[in-house]
Amino acid sequence: EAGVAQSPRYKIIEKRQSVAFWCNPISGHATLYWYQQILGQGPKLLIQFQNNGVVDDSQLPKDRFSAERLKGVDSTLKIQPAKLEDSAVYLCASSLGDHSYNEQFFGPGTRLTVL
Amino acid sequence: AQSVTQPDIHITVSEGASLELRCNYSYGATPYLFWYVQSPGQGLQLLLKYFSGDTLVQGIKGFEAEFKRSQSSFNLRKPSVHWSDAAEYFCAVAARGNTGKLIFGQGTTLQVKP
Repeated sequence: EAGVAQSPRYKIIEKRQSVAFWCNPISGHATLYWYQQILGQGPKLLIQFQNNGVVDDSQLPKDRFSAERLKGVDSTLKIQPAKLEDSAVYLCASSLGDHSYNEQFFGPGTRLTVL
Repeated sequence: AQSVTQPDIHITVSEGASLELRCNYSYGATPYLFWYVQSPGQGLQLLLKYFSGDTLVQGIKGFEAEFKRSQSSFNLRKPSVHWSDAAEYFCAVAARGNTGKLIFGQGTTLQVKP
């Protein structure tokens, strides 16, 4: 079974530029998560989708971050404009459902460097 | 506020020695508890989880963890560490119910000496 796919794996941009990350979850997984992992910290949830609806985006900086999951499968996370403090690894995860006992499977992440 | 604390940022053990990684949580009610491992350049992998029942849980790769309600702790242990166990370990909690949101500790980096 294929795991969670993410691209690109690495991205370097200048501040104030825009960037987009893509995630393809495990087939059949209804719930998709985006986490931000700053160096030296644990991952922090940015947004959670159940199918194509947003369940939790309370920690998403909505003035610059946006995410969508239009067909309930793939998802994109966008940052516009980027700031230096956005340098982090962006992890995508998926699970069968949104109950906490459903295991979350993580992708390899996209490492973003903002110069 | 809900939080997870991993007091040890970095731990070094010799290969073959025993290991214990500490995790304490602050939560309104007993949450679900998890340990994840992250190897360089790879995503997080679930080692084990505690939902209810027996407070000593077994996981993959020979790891186990013990839930202690009175201490709000969920420490990870392994009797004999292998060089391949060198990685970063994260403790996480999630509220019981239809939420899914994981709250992670800051992680403990494990170095294994030959």
